[in-house]
Amino acid sequence: EVQLVESGGDLVQPGGSLRLSCAASGFTFSNYFMNWVRQAPGKELEWVANIRPDGVDTYYADSVRGRFTISRDNPKNSVFLQMHSLRAEDTAVYYCARGFEYSFDSWGQGTLVTVSS
Amino acid sequence: DVVMTQSPLSLPVTLGQPASISCRSSRSLVHSDGNTYLDWLHQRPGQSPRRLIHKVSKRDSGVPDRFSGSGSGTDFTLKISRVEAEDVGVYYCVQITHWPPVFGPGTKVDIK
Repeated sequence: EVQLVESGGDLVQPGGSLRLSCAASGFTFSNYFMNWVRQAPGKELEWVANIRPDGVDTYYADSVRGRFTISRDNPKNSVFLQMHSLRAEDTAVYYCARGFEYSFDSWGQGTLVTVSS
Repeated sequence: DVVMTQSPLSLPVTLGQPASISCRSSRSLVHSDGNTYLDWLHQRPGQSPRRLIHKVSKRDSGVPDRFSGSGSGTDFTLKISRVEAEDVGVYYCVQITHWPPVFGPGTKVDIK
């Protein structure tokens, strides 16, 4: 069974940094694209970042490019999201989602990031 | 970026009755490889999203056959043949044909 477990969400001040982690199990992690998708309170889903199976190529939403970095550790079956210069509008539940054939086929339970002073 | 719209945004339904949600995109979602990468997700209150349907009409494993997806080009529909209590929540369409992926605003389904 595919499992994705996010962690690292916290309350952080504007301008601060945070690193999210997603631990994967139940599938061959190194074969899959991985994504971060976020959902602000009461709002719709927003794709944030994507990383290729080999970790060489990464892609970002315009709203986070230059501030967020997605990375992965295939031997440890984990994907990360390093977030810098956080803003109030980054407040959201951040989901890790597996990518396969142009689709988000499995989702984690999410981790809450709150940016507030 | 592609713009995704859904209607209605709120859908009160009667148990046992059918329900239908429309999703429209600002440009055709037919990929150069011939596939159409339009998915439907369901998010129950307090839970993470779950994929129901991919590539317009392919139901995921474990998804009841009362759910069906259809459409082409820019117009897509999710239908529930007979709504059950567990079907409440928000339904999102998402396109991944064109980069970046874009989600629709969601349709909230609840029981009358």
